[in-house]
Amino acid sequence: AQSVTQLDSHVSVSEGTPVLLRCNYSSSYSPSLFWYVQHPNKGLQLLLKYTSAATLVKGINGFEAEFKKSETSFHLTKPSAHMSDAAEYFCVVTRTSGTYKYIFGTGTRLKVLA
Amino acid sequence: GAGVSQSPRYKVTKRGQDVALRCDPISGHVSLYWYRQALGQGPEFLTYFNYEAQQDKSGLPNDRFSAERPEGSISTLTIQRTEQRDSAMYRCASSLGAGASTDTQYFGPGTRLTVL
Repeated sequence: AQSVTQLDSHVSVSEGTPVLLRCNYSSSYSPSLFWYVQHPNKGLQLLLKYTSAATLVKGINGFEAEFKKSETSFHLTKPSAHMSDAAEYFCVVTRTSGTYKYIFGTGTRLKVLA
Repeated sequence: GAGVSQSPRYKVTKRGQDVALRCDPISGHVSLYWYRQALGQGPEFLTYFNYEAQQDKSGLPNDRFSAERPEGSISTLTIQRTEQRDSAMYRCASSLGAGASTDTQYFGPGTRLTVL
């Protein structure tokens, strides 16, 4: 079975400071991991994905995530938050092969303070 | 090009009524997925199509829920005899390939269903 836990339901940061959104996964198989962002009234947009290649994955808008197998983590980071980063972020796990079902975390709402 | 579109964006219905939710995937995308997202939760898988074939419907909660994709493009999710517990955001996604886990799924804006 697979699952994903987003450790914080809400995160607040000041504009220009680093962002850290935490995600831990559980998987009996080699996982593929994704981060999606949801802005109000918009669809979920892919930020980045890990599919068993490089463990440090760079995504759009300056975000990156590092796959750490020993810690079963896939935390999302950004060096400097921008007001436009305020949104809800979802961590997703699936198997590297054989399934298409995304297993979503419960989401982290990021607030960026001016 | 155009992304995944869903209609209606908002639907309010009375308990016991049937509703049909539409998804128009990205042109040329082979795979189509339906998810349901309750308030405060992440989306949960409902069903998956490869072209017109419904390959997996294991996430449909009961037999009041059904989905079709007759021509391998537009899909309709139908809920019969709606109940208040069906209130949620219903999300559709499509992907270019035939459902490999590494395929990126592109999501539509969702349909917010409220059952009174």
